[in-house]
Amino acid sequence: AQTVTQSQPEMSVQEAETVTLSCTYDTSESNYYLFWYKQPPSRQMILVIRQEAYKQQNATENRFSVNFQKAAKSFSLKISDSQLGDTAMYFCAFMRLAGSYQLTFGKGTKLSVIP
Amino acid sequence: NAGVTQTPKFRILKIGQSMTLQCTQDMNHNYMYWYRQDPGMGLKLIYYSVGAGITDKGEVPNGYNVSRSTTEDFPLRLELAAPSQTSVYFCASLLQGDNYGYTFGSGTRLTVV
Repeated sequence: AQTVTQSQPEMSVQEAETVTLSCTYDTSESNYYLFWYKQPPSRQMILVIRQEAYKQQNATENRFSVNFQKAAKSFSLKISDSQLGDTAMYFCAFMRLAGSYQLTFGKGTKLSVIP
Repeated sequence: NAGVTQTPKFRILKIGQSMTLQCTQDMNHNYMYWYRQDPGMGLKLIYYSVGAGITDKGEVPNGYNVSRSTTEDFPLRLELAAPSQTSVYFCASLLQGDNYGYTFGSGTRLTVV
């Protein structure tokens, strides 16, 4: 079974600054995806970024990038130029590329962007 | 393109009552899921389906039932509601291929009193 750990229950960052959210996971699988989801107060689950395990290059999406360390089973999210709209819960999730393709989530990190 | 549509958005049930959460997707995805999210936690899988007529249990299936008569629809049935089922419920479907990704519904906040 897979486990996903987010060790920072809450974080805050000044507007326009950079913040990094941590995520580690445990698996014996070799083919999988990792995701970061954003959940604002509206509770909608919004995909921020995804990483395929077989790709060594770290994924980037505009102000969002990841540091994927496969051997260390680490998958951190960096948010650059933080904006007030980035205030939300952020969930790290693991998906095995087989079987049910279910998502295994961490407990989340509550990010507050301070003006 | 509506994506994944979930109804209702909110519901209050009394202990012992039953209800069905509706979920429809218009993307022709084979895989569909029901997750629940308890306060301060990530989502946990209740049931999933790999296509019409095929369903299977996830991590927390007790107290729930599902059916999948068509590709589009995947309703979740709660029988004999209990306070432990107070949660936010999400339906989702999976796009498979070069860019695997889930599409989530907007969620249903259910309170059992």
